[in-house]
Amino acid sequence: ETGVTQTPRHLVMGMTNKKSLKCEQHLGHNAMYWYKQSAKKPLELMFVYSLEERVENNSVPSRFSPECPNSSHLFLHLHTLQPEDSALYLCASRRLGDNTEAFFGQGTRLTVV
Amino acid sequence: RKEVEQDPGPFNVPEGATVAFNCTYSNSASQSFFWYRQDCRKEPKLLMSVYSSGNEDGRFTAQLNRASQYISLLIRDSKLSDSATYLCVVNPYNQGGKLIFGQGTELSVKP
Repeated sequence: ETGVTQTPRHLVMGMTNKKSLKCEQHLGHNAMYWYKQSAKKPLELMFVYSLEERVENNSVPSRFSPECPNSSHLFLHLHTLQPEDSALYLCASRRLGDNTEAFFGQGTRLTVV
Repeated sequence: RKEVEQDPGPFNVPEGATVAFNCTYSNSASQSFFWYRQDCRKEPKLLMSVYSSGNEDGRFTAQLNRASQYISLLIRDSKLSDSATYLCVVNPYNQGGKLIFGQGTELSVKP
């Protein structure tokens, strides 16, 4: 248990659905991240929120929309996804500063049908 | 050039072997470095931070060479439980806390 909680753990959605992934941390961290990990591929950084401001939007399609209402919560809103968006979506949080590690949630395994 | 690049692997080694992983990074101003471990279908977990002076934790030794922009991880006396994917992670300077992961090197330790 890392202190970063993601829900749901598994999600199956149709291409016309709208769903949201949730991430929560109460570690006092001030940076939160969304990563995508497809099968046999490296982690791809999607979004970074630093002090609740989005500082990175790594050319992610607009069908993925992040939201960070406060320093403890991070959402990823999904709409009109494609089958190739099926992947493990990982949330991480960290306290900004040198040599401070990121803690990951257990991820949401998303399948788009 | 990729921001963080690792040996492609996989590494298949017998128990008790010593194995070394290498990682290079492109941003010379990078300030923090880490090795993470990821087990199959699980989230990555910190193995160790990498300090300029090098650091050791039991059977694991990490080294940083800033001049060559190179990080290494040495595992001595490999155990079956060391089988996992090892991820090199870099925090580039002044990029809003970004953490960039390498593609990972898969290690399989056999009896």
